[in-house]
Amino acid sequence: GDSVTQMEGPVTLSEEAFLTINCTYTATGYPSLFWYVQYPGEGLQLLLKATKADDKGSNKGFEATYRKETTSFHLEKGSVQVSDSAVYFCALSGANNLFFGTGTRLTVIP
Amino acid sequence: KAGVTQTPRYLIKTRGQQVTLSCSPISGHRSVSWYQQTPGQGLQFLFEYFSETQRNKGNFPGRFSGRQFSNSRSEMNVSTLELGDSALYLCASSPEGGARNEQFFGPGTRLTVL
Repeated sequence: GDSVTQMEGPVTLSEEAFLTINCTYTATGYPSLFWYVQYPGEGLQLLLKATKADDKGSNKGFEATYRKETTSFHLEKGSVQVSDSAVYFCALSGANNLFFGTGTRLTVIP
Repeated sequence: KAGVTQTPRYLIKTRGQQVTLSCSPISGHRSVSWYQQTPGQGLQFLFEYFSETQRNKGNFPGRFSGRQFSNSRSEMNVSTLELGDSALYLCASSPEGGARNEQFFGPGTRLTVL
């Protein structure tokens, strides 16, 4: 069945450090892939998405590339800020609903 | 445009009781999906409603049910509450539904079952 495996957290980085959060998936067909972010006390917000192989999604300095050959959609950011502290979820579109990874908590310290 | 709103934000119930949670989607959105978020199981899909009809359902027992009204507002109900039902319940709306399209999430209702 469809599933997402996401890098275990928590991740703690210093401000301006480079961020990578790994995400791999298993799916039938050709799903769309997403990264959602959840700030404390809030719901999930779409951060970026990619709908087909080799697409790169980007937003607010974050990027992720849909790699069909490695079934991956790793999230990267060149220089994190304290305001990026949140929980990040990788997700894929199944036939009827989204399948989410377990989430990775990122803390950025000044 | 106002975002997705959920009420109440926090709820405490005891085992055996039932509970109703409410979700108001973004104006113009016809699809509402519900998800359960727990530390152990993560985010799991409960069901989706579109134009007052349940369109898709996840793998949850019949104690979990929902409905959607003509104004697209949705409610979910959990009967005979169990301790394991303690979770953050998130609803998400989108114009037409479908897993490929962006879903807009509300802040959630945190349910604690004692």
